[in-house]
Amino acid sequence: DTEVTQTPKHLVMGMTNKKSLKCEQHMGHRAMYWYKQKAKKPPELMFVYSYEKLSINESVPSRFSPECPNSSLLNLHLHALQPEDSALYLCASSPGGQGNYGYTFGSGTRLTVV
Amino acid sequence: GENVEQHPSTLSVQEGDSAVIKCTYSDSASNYFPWYKQELGKRPQLIIDIRSNVGEKKDQRIAVTLNKTAKHFSLHITETQPEDSAVYFCAAKTDQGAQKLVFGQGTRLTINP
Repeated sequence: DTEVTQTPKHLVMGMTNKKSLKCEQHMGHRAMYWYKQKAKKPPELMFVYSYEKLSINESVPSRFSPECPNSSLLNLHLHALQPEDSALYLCASSPGGQGNYGYTFGSGTRLTVV
Repeated sequence: GENVEQHPSTLSVQEGDSAVIKCTYSDSASNYFPWYKQELGKRPQLIIDIRSNVGEKKDQRIAVTLNKTAKHFSLHITETQPEDSAVYFCAAKTDQGAQKLVFGQGTRLTINP
């Protein structure tokens, strides 16, 4: 399995809702990432998990809460989002550790906040 | 932190011609430089990468060159085809400190039949 699987593919949520995005990989990768991508912009890093520990939080608002239950799974819990949070949320993974390997991206969750 | 500049932002070429996209980076510690292709509504896909101990890498119609002294790297696509139309992102990463993959702003490449 050489894929990163994200669910759901599309999500519409109200500003008072709580929802979660899920990401799964079975490549044995030990680093996992959440990116946010707005239209016509590059992916913007939000969080990095390395060996299941949060190693980077790019000053993301607390209404986004990441979780890494195990080495294959990564969640992003959403609460009280704003319309400007509407974007494509991409999960990625890489082997981790020293050495530079390509990130594998999931297909993303297209989130609309209404 | 690392900053990656990418040019041009849009590029239109005739089918069969070559396309070149250029990136510069700021952090001399960066040692890994991938290129991603993103079609409309799809995920970024790694198309080629290069590490700092190599000056050039080629994969069929795609090549990447790296000039560490000048801190720039380029993507070359030869014999372009309509399916090459997409947004291309360069990126840079270092093993040191915060190991973040930093992206350029992207180039929208259009291949005209």
